[in-house]
Amino acid sequence: DGGITQSPKYLFRKEGQNVTLSCEQNLNHDAMYWYRQDPGQGLRLIYYSQIVNDFQKGDIAEGYSVSREKKESFPLTVTSAQKNPTAFYLCASGDWDSLEAFFGQGTRLTVV
Amino acid sequence: GDSVTQMEGPVTLSEEAFLTINCTYTATGYPSLFWYVQYPGEGLQLLLKATKADDKGSNKGFEATYRKETTSFHLEKGSVQVSDSAVYFCALSDLGGTALIFGKGTTLSVSS
Repeated sequence: DGGITQSPKYLFRKEGQNVTLSCEQNLNHDAMYWYRQDPGQGLRLIYYSQIVNDFQKGDIAEGYSVSREKKESFPLTVTSAQKNPTAFYLCASGDWDSLEAFFGQGTRLTVV
Repeated sequence: GDSVTQMEGPVTLSEEAFLTINCTYTATGYPSLFWYVQYPGEGLQLLLKATKADDKGSNKGFEATYRKETTSFHLEKGSVQVSDSAVYFCALSDLGGTALIFGKGTTLSVSS
């Protein structure tokens, strides 16, 4: 099946620990994105990458890091510097022709 | 910067009622406009889109028209169903491609 896979679906982390969220796509899209979703706040852009080995900060990049070593993969690390990491994280990839973004099923991160 | 404003929810309707969810945008260029839908615990799915002024996007009985003069992209459906209950997001494209800027979302609840 073609699409975007995020894992895990649920993730628990102790305060002070780094954690990495996985995002893989087999749609052959050049662009990939990470969004954070909080109740009542919509989706906010964390990082995006338009090509392999290149990425840019979005609106709320502080406390997060990413890498884009392969076209298919765009992992997000939530570091201990992120003060309020509990949220629903959504990964997406972009199609330049249709201008449509395709979303994964999301990872719900809870800091305990 | 570019932004999207959509009506506050929740919107509660009876089955077969008419639906309107208002969306207005601010953009320096000529963005593409989108409506996405999110069912509980899932990622976002594209509902419809419009790429230029006066375009009408439509899908599954939902419609929205790109109005440049009023910078609006209101979502409408003539007769809602219980299965339409979800969160609806208005969005515009930015950053030269598919990085989307989202509104805060509007929760729709339809009862039978």
